[in-house]
Parts: sequence; structure tokens; C-alpha cells
Amino acid sequence: GQQVMQIPQYQHVQEGEDFTTYCNSSTTLSNIQWYKQRPGGHPVFLIQLVKSGEVKKQKRLTFQFGEAKKNSSLHITATQTTDVGTYFCAANTGNQFYFGTGTSLTVIP
Amino acid sequence: NAGVTQTPKFQVLKTGQSMTLQCAQDMNHEYMSWYRQDPGMGLRLIHYSVGAGITDQGEVPNGYNVSRSTTEDFPLRLLSAAPSQTSVYFCASSWTGTTSSYNSPLHFGNGTRLTVT
Repeated sequence: GQQVMQIPQYQHVQEGEDFTTYCNSSTTLSNIQWYKQRPGGHPVFLIQLVKSGEVKKQKRLTFQFGEAKKNSSLHITATQTTDVGTYFCAANTGNQFYFGTGTSLTVIP
Repeated sequence: NAGVTQTPKFQVLKTGQSMTLQCAQDMNHEYMSWYRQDPGMGLRLIHYSVGAGITDQGEVPNGYNVSRSTTEDFPLRLLSAAPSQTSVYFCASSWTGTTSSYNSPLHFGNGTRLTVT
């Protein structure tokens, strides 16, 4: 089945520093979704990227989809304590969604 | 709208016991799915359904059964619980499954934390 590798597994940053998580696939993806899960919570949809080379922004969050549609990244500028949580990418094969292992972000005040 | 509702929130089972995790959505979503979340392994798909009367296996279906008699409900049954099934279980739904290039976002329930001793 589809495998989506996500790195790093953990990231600790000082508040105000930037943060990036990466997703990589060995196969070309039709699209990729990003989700955020707060500690003790459930995953919440953030965004979907569909086009090759697509870049989307949500305030301090920047999402990119690679030109070959095999990789994606999420970059947070000037992290805040509200950014704490685990960020997942997700891809699909047919009706099956495959999630990356997630990157757990800790923000140190 | 309540969204996706899962019950119970917590459950402790003994090895060999059976139980059903409930999932209901009130958004008229066609697609429903079950995931388990284990530390360091992300979310893994157990079973999914693209509509009432239709179910299919995901990545880790062994030990679990599902049925979809209505659009709203998608229960997950553990036939004979094992310690390896200790996990957090999430139900998720969306408008449709997938098209060639676009997926409807998944809406998740709050999860069921299951411990099997």
C-alpha cells in the first residue's frame, strides 16, 4: 500500500523559532492533506494540496507540494504555544487514506 | 450538528472479550472509516465504507468487523480482544471517498481509548 514517510518524529523549538515537517512518498501522489492533532485531541483538517508545485498559506503556516508530487512540507513561522501538537500528512490510494507517522511539535515558552 | 460522535470514550477489556465501538455522524457523509493510533505509528486504517451496505478492509483489518446498515452509523466490533488491540480508535467521515485528484476532508470523532488486559 501507499507509504508516506514523515520527518522529524519530534521537534522542540523555542517560542518564536520556525518549524518545518516533511512528508515523502516513493510514488506520485494525486493530492496530499495536512492535519493537526492537539494533545489529547483528534486530528483536524488543515489543508489539501492538489497541484504540482502548489504553495498555500494560512497565516503563519505555509504548505508546499513538490513539483513531482512526491513530497510536501509544512512550515510554521515564529511558532507560538498554540502551535503545540502533532502534524500529520495524509495521502490516498483509491478510497484508502494513509497517514504519515506525524511530527510532534513542542514549543518552549 | 454534533459532527462525528464516538462512544465510549474509554474502555477496559479482558483478553478474549468482545465489544462494539460506536460511531455516528449527522452530516450525511457517504464515506466513513476507522483508524487506530499507536505511538510512533500514526493513524492506520482498519476498515472503511463508501456508503450504506458497502464495507472494505483497510491496512490493519484483522480482529475487527464492521457493518454499515445506515448512512449515519458505522460500528466497529472487536471479536476477541487481544492486548495488541490496546490503542486509541478514531472514526472519521467525509462527503465522499476520493476522486482522481481531490479528497473531501476527513472529520474525526473524539476517539475511544481502549485497553486490553
